[in-house]
Amino acid sequence: AQRVTQPEKLLSVFKGAPVELKCNYSYSGSPELFWYVQYSRQRLQLLLRHISRESIKGFTADLNKGETSFHLKKPFAQEEDSAMYYCALSPMDTGRRALTFGSGTRLQVQP
Amino acid sequence: NAGVTQTPKFQVLKTGQSMTLQCAQDMNHNSMYWYRQDPGMGLRLIYYSASEGTTDKGEVPNGYNVSRLNKREFSLRLESAAPSQTSVYFCASSTGTSYLQAFFGQGTRLTVV
Repeated sequence: AQRVTQPEKLLSVFKGAPVELKCNYSYSGSPELFWYVQYSRQRLQLLLRHISRESIKGFTADLNKGETSFHLKKPFAQEEDSAMYYCALSPMDTGRRALTFGSGTRLQVQP
Repeated sequence: NAGVTQTPKFQVLKTGQSMTLQCAQDMNHNSMYWYRQDPGMGLRLIYYSASEGTTDKGEVPNGYNVSRLNKREFSLRLESAAPSQTSVYFCASSTGTSYLQAFFGQGTRLTVV
């Protein structure tokens, strides 16, 4: 079975400060990791995936298999980044590709 | 572009009542999911359907049943609602293959009194 842990329920930073949202996972096989975001009054949507190694809205995340982590980072937070962020995992080595989510971290960016 | 559509958006039930949450997607996705979202617990998978005609239990299936009516539709049924089922329910769909991206509905806020 897989598990995703997000240790922080709330992260509050000031505009322009660096942001790091933590995510740790456990899965014995080969995982695919994602970050999903839910802005106020909007649907949950994909932010980025580790396979693409992309930067979306200034956010990046690197998969660290040794530490089983997939932390989300942004060098300079903006007020519009305030949202609920979920880390998620899907097995790549089985036919069961359901997403397992962490408990989420609420990011508040203060002016 | 409708994407994933859930009905209803809000519902209040009395304990013991039954209801069905409807979900439909127009993206020709194979996989569909039902999650519940509770404060401090994130999204927990209730049921998963990898393709038309197949369903699998997720993390919290007790008290729920599902039907994958066709490729587009995946319904969630509460046979005898309990206060512990008060939650926000999300339906999602995805291609379910090598490039996995889930698209979510707007959610159904269910209160059981």
